Amino acid sequence: KAGVTQTPRYLIKTRGQQVTLSCSPISGHRSVSWYQQTPGQGLQFLFEYFSETQRNKGNFPGRFSGRQFSNSRSEMNVSTLELGDSALYLCASSLMGGGETQYFGPGTRLLVL
Amino acid sequence: DQQVKQNSPSLSVQEGRISILNCDYTNSMFDYFLWYKKYPAEGPTFLISISSIKDKNEDGRFTVFLNKSAKHLSLHIVPSQPGDSAVYFCAASVGNYGQNFVFGPGTRLSVLP
Repeated sequence: KAGVTQTPRYLIKTRGQQVTLSCSPISGHRSVSWYQQTPGQGLQFLFEYFSETQRNKGNFPGRFSGRQFSNSRSEMNVSTLELGDSALYLCASSLMGGGETQYFGPGTRLLVL
Repeated sequence: DQQVKQNSPSLSVQEGRISILNCDYTNSMFDYFLWYKKYPAEGPTFLISISSIKDKNEDGRFTVFLNKSAKHLSLHIVPSQPGDSAVYFCAASVGNYGQNFVFGPGTRLSVLP
């Protein structure tokens, strides 16, 4: 099976712009979660989507949003970018979510100037 | 306040010796724990898991120990190999449907030849 794919791999934006990141889960996986990783921090949970519905949300401002399509592909959007949004954004998929092992994509590295 | 802590940001070990990575958690509701390994420019990959009904789980060179009373788990790698050099993340979850993982900040392991 193909693994989790994320596009683009690298992105440079300026403050105030918005960005959309894409994630294609492993075939058959219905749960997609998004994480932010910054230097010195662990992976911080953004949100989880399951069957096109946001099922869980972490402690991030409303500028961070996402959606999931009927084929389980997911997008994450960040509006009004701030310098502190520079991070590696990771997507992970699993069959049903919950306590299952998640399989991570390679991430999208976002740099906000 | 971090619910999952990895107090050693880095660890260096000689090839062939044992590597011990530690993780502490504060939420007594956590009942499922995983270790992930992450190489630069790649997403984390699942290494080994343990549920709270066990105190030890072994997979080849990797063993995870769980001490529920101390809210502590550790990952032992024996013998350590240079290819084990990576960042190791501990993650915990409450095994409820739809709940997602909380990650520690990671420990960078360097295995010296």
